[in-house]
Amino acid sequence: DAKTTQPTSMDCAEGRAANLPCNHSTISGNEYVYWYRQIHSQGPQYIIHGLKNNETNEMASLIITEDRKSSTLILPHATLRDTAVYYCIVESGTYKYIFGTGTRLKVLA
Amino acid sequence: KAGVTQTPRYLIKTRGQQVTLSCSPISGHRSVSWYQQTPGQGLQFLFEYFSETQRNKGNFPGRFSGRQFSNSRSEMNVSTLELGDSALYLCASSDRDNGAYEQYFGPGTRLTVT
Repeated sequence: DAKTTQPTSMDCAEGRAANLPCNHSTISGNEYVYWYRQIHSQGPQYIIHGLKNNETNEMASLIITEDRKSSTLILPHATLRDTAVYYCIVESGTYKYIFGTGTRLKVLA
Repeated sequence: KAGVTQTPRYLIKTRGQQVTLSCSPISGHRSVSWYQQTPGQGLQFLFEYFSETQRNKGNFPGRFSGRQFSNSRSEMNVSTLELGDSALYLCASSDRDNGAYEQYFGPGTRLTVT
């Protein structure tokens, strides 16, 4: 599975869009990109996943570059409850996730 | 649908004892994975089961074992507990359908070894 690289931490003002980048330059054609977040040592919460196309759901949007070497998770209107650690994961048929250190997002009032 | 449930939620054990943790997946999910989370090592994959068969295993000693039952419920066991086994143990389930493999995590079992 490809390795992912994320910034250690980011701040975002409440009500503004939070854009969380992820680099996965060694991704291969059949590997999906997944985003999860973890709040206060609860179980990680699934947010969104994608393969090639951009995706949107009720929580977020996922933008994947054309070469698939990076992606961005967008929380359109961040709230204080979005403060969490966000993980970007790439998986390809190995039935396991390799978690990095993630990005600690702090939403500021 | 009900989410992934894990029991017990909290556990305190003594060094040298063994422990069994239980996980009930989301109804219809046949894949169950286990992860260990510690402040020093982060989230680490333990093993994954599908239809009672272990399909993948992480880099943990043999003291860590698991199994899955015919109803997809899973247990993991840690024998001869060490202080370093203190961690949050997370279970996740999935209904992988020949493509994406999004997993849904339970709340975890917090194990403290004294």
